[in-house]
Amino acid sequence: DSGVTQTPKHLITATGQRVTLRCSPRSGDLSVYWYQQSLDQGLQFLIQYYNGEERAKGNILERFSAQQFPDLHSELNLSSLELGDSALYFCASSVELAPSYNEQFFGPGTRLTVL
Amino acid sequence: GQSLEQPSEVTAVEGAIVQINCTYQTSGFYGLSWYQQHDGGAPTFLSYNALDGLEETGRFSSFLSRSDSYGYLLLQELQMKDSASYFCAVRIYAGNMLTFGGGTRLMVKP
Repeated sequence: DSGVTQTPKHLITATGQRVTLRCSPRSGDLSVYWYQQSLDQGLQFLIQYYNGEERAKGNILERFSAQQFPDLHSELNLSSLELGDSALYFCASSVELAPSYNEQFFGPGTRLTVL
Repeated sequence: GQSLEQPSEVTAVEGAIVQINCTYQTSGFYGLSWYQQHDGGAPTFLSYNALDGLEETGRFSSFLSRSDSYGYLLLQELQMKDSASYFCAVRIYAGNMLTFGGGTRLMVKP
């Protein structure tokens, strides 16, 4: 158990709908990262938040947005869903003590199926 | 942009040694990390190399050559439980953000 929690574990919805994925980081971690993993694909970095502020942005679609709240939990919002958005969405967290590298701890993921 | 190349699949026998290579092209480079992911599971951290050379952690070792933009993960005394996907990932700035490769699926056979 990494200490990162994600809800829900599974989500089935229809095209055009909007969903919200939730992540609670490990205690003490200020950074949260979101990744998308499609079938047989690598991990695509979407976005990073640090202590409530957006820190880095990857290949995140305009239909997707995220935020990190004062209690440090984060939500990833996916709207106008398309079939191609079906994937496993991971949240990860880490401390952020640059310049040292701090490993990312991944949550169990949310499997999104768009029908 | 960033690109990372690693083999898509590797097969090895239990007890053997296997090396998974990773080459990268990035606009900046701070280090190379390796993660393991079992089917249906979450990625877990294996190693991180910021400097050239070999880092050893038990049966796993990771190597980096910054001048060659190349690294590898070495798994020794393979066990069936090592069957998983292995991802290399580059850290391109001083923060912790990683760009992952496509992953290498390792199958360990008895």
